[in-house]
Amino acid sequence: DAGVIQSPRHEVTEMGQEVTLRCKPISGHDYLFWYRQTMMRGLELLIYFNNNVPIDDSGMPEDRFSAKMPNASFSTLKIQPSEPRDSAVYFCASSLTSNTEAFFGQGTRLTVV
Amino acid sequence: QKEVEQNSGPLSVPEGAIASLNCTYSDRGSQSFFWYRQYSGKSPELIMFIYSNGDKEDGRFTAQLNKASQYVSLLIRDSQPSDSATYLCAVNTRTGRRALTFGSGTRLQVQP
Repeated sequence: DAGVIQSPRHEVTEMGQEVTLRCKPISGHDYLFWYRQTMMRGLELLIYFNNNVPIDDSGMPEDRFSAKMPNASFSTLKIQPSEPRDSAVYFCASSLTSNTEAFFGQGTRLTVV
Repeated sequence: QKEVEQNSGPLSVPEGAIASLNCTYSDRGSQSFFWYRQYSGKSPELIMFIYSNGDKEDGRFTAQLNKASQYVSLLIRDSQPSDSATYLCAVNTRTGRRALTFGSGTRLQVQP
């Protein structure tokens, strides 16, 4: 398996624009996680899915953020409208169960100017 | 109180020495514990996991867990300059949010 695949690797956008981040988890993994990493706040969980169903979205900072998982092999994280404070590295990760290790994608570095 | 706490460092050790990285957690219901390594500009990669009290060894790495003290540590023997990275402690809880909660990481510098 190629591992968790994220796209794009880098995204630069202007404030107010819509941004969509994409993730393909490892095949057979039932859990998918979206994390955000900044120097100030470290690695924060935004939302996670179990069998394509959102389980906990309490980490989503505000209504501008939304995430979907239409099938077992694809998930998106959308920010609309984007703001400069959304600049961070966004990681997608997947795991077999809730109690096993999570494997991370390469991340998307988002810069909002 | 943060759920998972780590000293941010940097922890500086000479090449060949033992590096000791520590982590404490607040939720007594935590049941699985992980150490990840993250090089600058890269994604976290798993080094070790531990579920039971005691020590678990894998090559130069030893994870230690003490649930009574809510403490988990990672020892790196014969440290190499290539071990220089940020080490993230992650904890999974049995109740509430069933996803890994990460500490802020400890930056390790191994001096040649």
